[in-house]
Amino acid sequence: GNSVTQMEGPVTLSEEAFLTINCTYTATGYPSLFWYVQYPGEGLQLLLKATKADDKGSNKGFEATYRKETTSFHLEKGSVQVSDSAVYFCALRAGRTGNQFYFGTGTSLTVIP
Amino acid sequence: DAGITQSPRYKITETGRQVTLMCHQTWSHSYMFWYRQDLGHGLRLIYYSAAADITDKGEVPDGYVVSRSKTENFPLTLESATRSQTSVYFCASSEVERYLRETQYFGPGTRLLVL
Repeated sequence: GNSVTQMEGPVTLSEEAFLTINCTYTATGYPSLFWYVQYPGEGLQLLLKATKADDKGSNKGFEATYRKETTSFHLEKGSVQVSDSAVYFCALRAGRTGNQFYFGTGTSLTVIP
Repeated sequence: DAGITQSPRYKITETGRQVTLMCHQTWSHSYMFWYRQDLGHGLRLIYYSAAADITDKGEVPDGYVVSRSKTENFPLTLESATRSQTSVYFCASSEVERYLRETQYFGPGTRLLVL
């Protein structure tokens, strides 16, 4: 079946540190992959996405590359800011009709000044 | 208001009562989804709808009922609430399926507490 395994948190980093949040997936066919971010008290917002192997999604300094050979979609940012503190979810879209999303359990990130 | 809204934002109810959570979107997106968010589980899909009058079960549909008489509305009903249904519920919508590329847009969530 389809599933997403995400690095457990919480993660605490100092400002300007390098961030990696690991995400691996299991899927049939060729899923699309997403990273969503959730700020306190809010719904999820799309951060970036990749729709085929070797695609790199990027937004707001975050990047993730769709690696089919390792079934991974790790999120990275070179220099985190306090405003990046949030919960990050890795997700895939697959299924028989392509209308089912599968989410990881989320990784809480806190960036301290 | 433009976008996707949910109501109520917070709800406390008692075991056995019926509860309906509302979701409204103004984009005329074809697809709509209901998720629940629980610690240790991330988001789990309850039901989704591809268009008005077309709904299908997700991963955890038991104890929930949905309807979609209008494209813009997708209410979720807990027929007889249980404590295990205490959760945060998110509604989402997306455009017509196109090579699996379309993303979802999420509402702000409804926090439900079942006593």
